[in-house]
Amino acid sequence: GEDVEQSLFLSVREGDSSVINCTYTDSSSTYLYWYKQEPGAGLQLLTYIFSNMDMKQDQRLTVLLNKKDKHLSLRIADTQTGDSAIYFCAERKRTGTASKLTFGTGTRLQVTL
Amino acid sequence: GAVVSQHPSWVICKSGTSVKIECRSLDFQATTMFWYRQFPKQSLMLMATSNEGSKATYEQGVEKDKFLINHASLTLSTLTVTSAHPEDSSFYICSARDESGGLGAQHFGDGTRLSIL
Repeated sequence: GEDVEQSLFLSVREGDSSVINCTYTDSSSTYLYWYKQEPGAGLQLLTYIFSNMDMKQDQRLTVLLNKKDKHLSLRIADTQTGDSAIYFCAERKRTGTASKLTFGTGTRLQVTL
Repeated sequence: GAVVSQHPSWVICKSGTSVKIECRSLDFQATTMFWYRQFPKQSLMLMATSNEGSKATYEQGVEKDKFLINHASLTLSTLTVTSAHPEDSSFYICSARDESGGLGAQHFGDGTRLSIL
């Protein structure tokens, strides 16, 4: 289908790892991104992965890409209360001569003490 | 890091008014900017792609006469909601693409909450 799917909600305890999953649609997508949105704010680019990579690590963030299954995940190590937000994955799809992002449905991460 | 400034952050106005929202890329040039609309607890819906020096490209179902987009310079795009009505109330977010370095990452403004009475 056309939708980029994510789980709606995830709750973890502070200090644990969080894993947010995403299933995207287009195997020809060149870049895949993870964005964070805090209440009432815009989106903050957290990290990205190029489609020919399997994994990318950036401090507490680890992105895994399974291109065969079109599955993307974001792992947050040592999750903190400040990580509570909505997380969107996005794929960059080419449409003709242009390209645009298609966003997932968003996962609300709740971090509890 | 790259910054996109969007303002105003919140607008309340009467039905029938036109409202202009500005989106500026502060430390990079953006030939392409994007305007999104977000309903509560939902994902972003792309409304249109704003192209510097040419007409915007609107997504299916978005009225171009209702949502006027102007991208007059490499750092500024504006969205004007003309004759706004309560159903236009929403959270509007702009984004600018930074093509330097080849990544083409999109950076987002903080959004504008539009409330039409």
